[in-house]
Amino acid sequence: ETGVTQTPRHLVMGMTNKKSLKCEQHLGHNAMYWYKQSAKKPLELMFVYNFKEQTENNSVPSRFSPECPNSSHLFLHLHTLQPEDSALYLCASSQVGVNTQYFGPGTRLTVL
Amino acid sequence: RKEVEQDPGPFNVPEGATVAFNCTYSNSASQSFFWYRQDCRKEPKLLMSVYSSGNEDGRFTAQLNRASQYISLLIRDSKLSDSATYLCVVNPDTGRRALTFGSGTRLQVQP
Repeated sequence: ETGVTQTPRHLVMGMTNKKSLKCEQHLGHNAMYWYKQSAKKPLELMFVYNFKEQTENNSVPSRFSPECPNSSHLFLHLHTLQPEDSALYLCASSQVGVNTQYFGPGTRLTVL
Repeated sequence: RKEVEQDPGPFNVPEGATVAFNCTYSNSASQSFFWYRQDCRKEPKLLMSVYSSGNEDGRFTAQLNRASQYISLLIRDSKLSDSATYLCVVNPDTGRRALTFGSGTRLQVQP
């Protein structure tokens, strides 16, 4: 299944590093999302983009910086993260106005 | 109170059994409801939407009770491959695209 792809699949970084997560959707959708899933916690919405415009920022710390250059691509730029930011980061896409979301495989992030 | 609450389980059932999960939601204005399935270390995948009149997809039946604000999922004739975490998902506001996820109920079907 390659509808929504994410790279890298695994990432280990130090607290002073800068890295980026990439998401690409091949479904012709126009809304994209970043979610965080920590162990034993529900998925937490981070950001929403509709037609490349950010429509939601769910009180996410500024060390996470999203970028959506077009409707098919979404990035999450990471800098000076904390160990508690270690989690599975999931990208999803949908059609605007349709609630069904399709998820990518996620990036498992470990911050040392 | 959590927006979406689920019993974390695990529910351990033998193959062929019928199992039911419930989920409650706090926002009475919620409009859309879903069940997603998440396998270990994988992404969530849509299992089925939940409609007001209830709906069935093969061995899976979903029900919505707006008065009591709960959603249920019934799995009949459980298969080993049904072992997964089942996520209750609610869209709390028609003005938002975001979904609110429950923590999930883990199901383990045993031979």
